[in-house]
Amino acid sequence: DAGITQSPRHKVTETGTPVTLRCHQTENHRYMYWYRQDPGHGLRLIHYSYGVKDTDKGEVSDGYSVSRSKTEDFLLTLESATSSQTSVYFCAISDRQGSGNTIYFGEGSWLTVV
Amino acid sequence: SQKIEQNSEALNIQEGKTATLTCNYTNYSPAYLQWYRQDPGRGPVFLLLIRENEKEKRKERLKVTFDTTLKQSLFHITASQPADSATYLCALASGGSYIPTFGRGTSLIVHP
Repeated sequence: DAGITQSPRHKVTETGTPVTLRCHQTENHRYMYWYRQDPGHGLRLIHYSYGVKDTDKGEVSDGYSVSRSKTEDFLLTLESATSSQTSVYFCAISDRQGSGNTIYFGEGSWLTVV
Repeated sequence: SQKIEQNSEALNIQEGKTATLTCNYTNYSPAYLQWYRQDPGRGPVFLLLIRENEKEKRKERLKVTFDTTLKQSLFHITASQPADSATYLCALASGGSYIPTFGRGTSLIVHP
């Protein structure tokens, strides 16, 4: 298994509270990603990073921010959680671009916003 | 708009048979296509990659075909086993982006 650790693995939070999910990798991969997975929508890219302090938006970035201050850590923050952000969040990493970008996923973080 | 379509209905087959899953796409010019496996409560795991200029790829009991004219990939598992039961996701990346976009996945259930 790729060395990816997500924390927390499960969280219940109240609407309007800030939430930060952490992803830590031990593979020294350049690229890191945050996806959410919901029934009927599949995996959708929230934000990604192509290096320390280099991030960009994905398909569903509204309401989320990210930071990457070290190669190994990628944080996803929900500034003010809403019920629509109840989901499973996957961190992922890869070490190359171009033809053949294999994505390695973490085990997921289950977030419930009540 | 770009679309990746996988059958939302579960595929039920008997052990020992060949399972075939389909991935159709529209408005993509994919540089490559990937297949991932996802078990309940786990993250997806990469299985196979096939590039736009390849017709077929094999890995043990797995075979992937890629028809850019039909805009379709087929994923085959031969001699299927109950342990192959999982959801299988296809993912495409266009030449301009290295980040693959995922389909919603198809659930495979192999009955003993």
